[in-house]
Amino acid sequence: EPEVTQTPSHQVTQMGQEVILRCVPISNHLYFYWYRQILGQKVEFLVSFYNNEISEKSEIFDDQFSVERPDGSNFTLKIRSTKLEDSAMYFCASRSSGYEQYFGPGTRLTVT
Amino acid sequence: AQSVTQLGSHVSVSEGALVLLRCNYSSSVPPYLFWYVQYPNQGLQLLLKYTTGATLVKGINGFEAEFKKSETSFHLTKPSAHMSDAAEYFCAVSGQVNDKIIFGKGTRLHILP
Repeated sequence: EPEVTQTPSHQVTQMGQEVILRCVPISNHLYFYWYRQILGQKVEFLVSFYNNEISEKSEIFDDQFSVERPDGSNFTLKIRSTKLEDSAMYFCASRSSGYEQYFGPGTRLTVT
Repeated sequence: AQSVTQLGSHVSVSEGALVLLRCNYSSSVPPYLFWYVQYPNQGLQLLLKYTTGATLVKGINGFEAEFKKSETSFHLTKPSAHMSDAAEYFCAVSGQVNDKIIFGKGTRLHILP
């Protein structure tokens, strides 16, 4: 069964450093999303992406964040200058024309 | 705007007993409703979803949920709990136009032997 994959599974970085989280959505999906879950809290929407542009972004998704689909298979989330409060589990999701979003296993980002 | 309220951050049931996890939603448009399960250190797995049609929805692992528009509820049930059901459960909503998913705070289900 096709699935969304994410790499790395765990990323440790120092405050102020740039990180890129990578996702490979399901191959025939057209809509892509990033969510995050701070430890012990609920899952929060960050951004949605369709047709090579951002469809919607939340208040969390400020100028430090960017997304890109650099080729036909990858979907990346970049954090330009990480802060301690960016420590969280980041989930990528994708969907086709239906409303079911398929989630990846997540990348745990730890900012020290 | 949409929101989800899950009553009870922790629920404990005995193995073999009924599982009932409560969820109420708020939505200005007809909602699409979901229940996701998250096992420790894992991602989110879709248990079931309601989009249109039959209001009683059956999902994986014996779970089901009923959409009640008049009560703005989408409670999750399972007739007989199993030890393997211990996990965090998230109720979620999205709209037909705005498709981001809004999650509730989650309910951690504990199964007592």
